Amino acid sequence: QQQVKQSPQSLIVQKGGISIINCAYENTAFDYFPWYQQFPGKGPALLIAIRPDVSEKKEGRFTISFNKSAKQFSLHIMDSQPGDSATYFCAATASGSARQLTFGSGTQLTVLP
Amino acid sequence: DTEVTQTPKHLVMGMTNKKSLKCEQHMGHRAMYWYKQKAKKPPELMFVYSYEKLSINESVPSRFSPECPNSSLLNLHLHALQPEDSALYLCASSQVKGRAFFGQGTRLTVV
Repeated sequence: QQQVKQSPQSLIVQKGGISIINCAYENTAFDYFPWYQQFPGKGPALLIAIRPDVSEKKEGRFTISFNKSAKQFSLHIMDSQPGDSATYFCAATASGSARQLTFGSGTQLTVLP
Repeated sequence: DTEVTQTPKHLVMGMTNKKSLKCEQHMGHRAMYWYKQKAKKPPELMFVYSYEKLSINESVPSRFSPECPNSSLLNLHLHALQPEDSALYLCASSQVKGRAFFGQGTRLTVV
């Protein structure tokens, strides 16, 4: 019940295209859903996050879509750039338990020039 | 300032050595975390400190020993590690509402 399932495992997109990464969860106690971007040899960087009381959040080229009834959320990267090539992790957390993060398995995104 | 600082960036240690990893944040966050990350895998939670008290220990072997000297500092003491403990060790901190920030990690190699 603590799992967050992420797909696809890897994604190749042409420059200027849209990258879409999907996540699904089971635990209805989760109330905060961040996305992290990680470059090789670096720590994960918080990219964007959403709470379940909204269905969409946009920050620049990055948008999270959230479907509470389906218990699914997704990251859309518009106008994908080669510099976006990284590993993306979705995550979820619930109040209590000191806000430990439950991570998805990660998506390796490659944006071709 | 949303920075979590980890030292050292790289560490090579023998199986009989004792070493420590250090983490510092000045964002006033009261929860601090140690994660272990293997290549191509998500971070794996090791320890959680909440208000300077150890609140979660995810069945981590005793050769890893965490310490939280104050609200800004977190240490991970290492002793008698195994080669399979080689990984990227990440520190993170968060507010109560959930925004967690990670450090750049310590790349640990056990020889």
